[in-house]
Amino acid sequence: GAGVSQSPSNKVTEKGKDVELRCDPISGHTALYWYRQRLGQGLEFLIYFQGNSAPDKSGLPSDRFSAERTGESVSTLTIQRTQQEDSAVYLCASSRGEWGTDTQYFGPGTRLTVL
Amino acid sequence: LAKTTQPISMDSYEGQEVNITCSHNNIATNDYITWYQQFPSQGPRFIIQGYKTKVTNEVASLFIPADRKSSTLSLPRVSLSDTAVYYCLVGFNNAGNMLTFGGGTRLMVKP
Repeated sequence: GAGVSQSPSNKVTEKGKDVELRCDPISGHTALYWYRQRLGQGLEFLIYFQGNSAPDKSGLPSDRFSAERTGESVSTLTIQRTQQEDSAVYLCASSRGEWGTDTQYFGPGTRLTVL
Repeated sequence: LAKTTQPISMDSYEGQEVNITCSHNNIATNDYITWYQQFPSQGPRFIIQGYKTKVTNEVASLFIPADRKSSTLSLPRVSLSDTAVYYCLVGFNNAGNMLTFGGGTRLMVKP
């Protein structure tokens, strides 16, 4: 079946511009996660959705970052007034949202470059 | 939140068994332990998951001692294609609980 997809795969933008990153989770997965991964670094948790609500926004690095999810499906991560330190790969994952044995399935990521 | 600690990097040779240990001293009662593999320019991929004792699948084995404060991922007879970053993840998917990835272990398999 179809996995998690993300778009665009690559995004180059100028400092100060806003960007929107999209994630299409696996159909039926209630949980959705956004992570950031800087070059050569580990995964940095950003935000987690259960259904359309976000019980954990603790990882968002600043108020320039926001995310929403509609219809328990597509999610959009928006970064306003981008800065060069925002350059990274943004990974989305989804899961069934089951207790205990949940497994996250990751998309290929969006590589964001802020010039 | 259960924080994990892994070696930053490991080297091995083709055909050897590789064991990567992850420490998670403050693991909670309901937490499961999951390992992921990540190749360059790809998202992480699930390898194996366990709660206690030993779990084995077609790819790897996972050893968890009785106190559950650590776990060891065992890769039998590695090949060059096993060169990747391996992440230990401890957590419980529940509203309000965050799943935390450690820094990962960069495994380099040499010919």
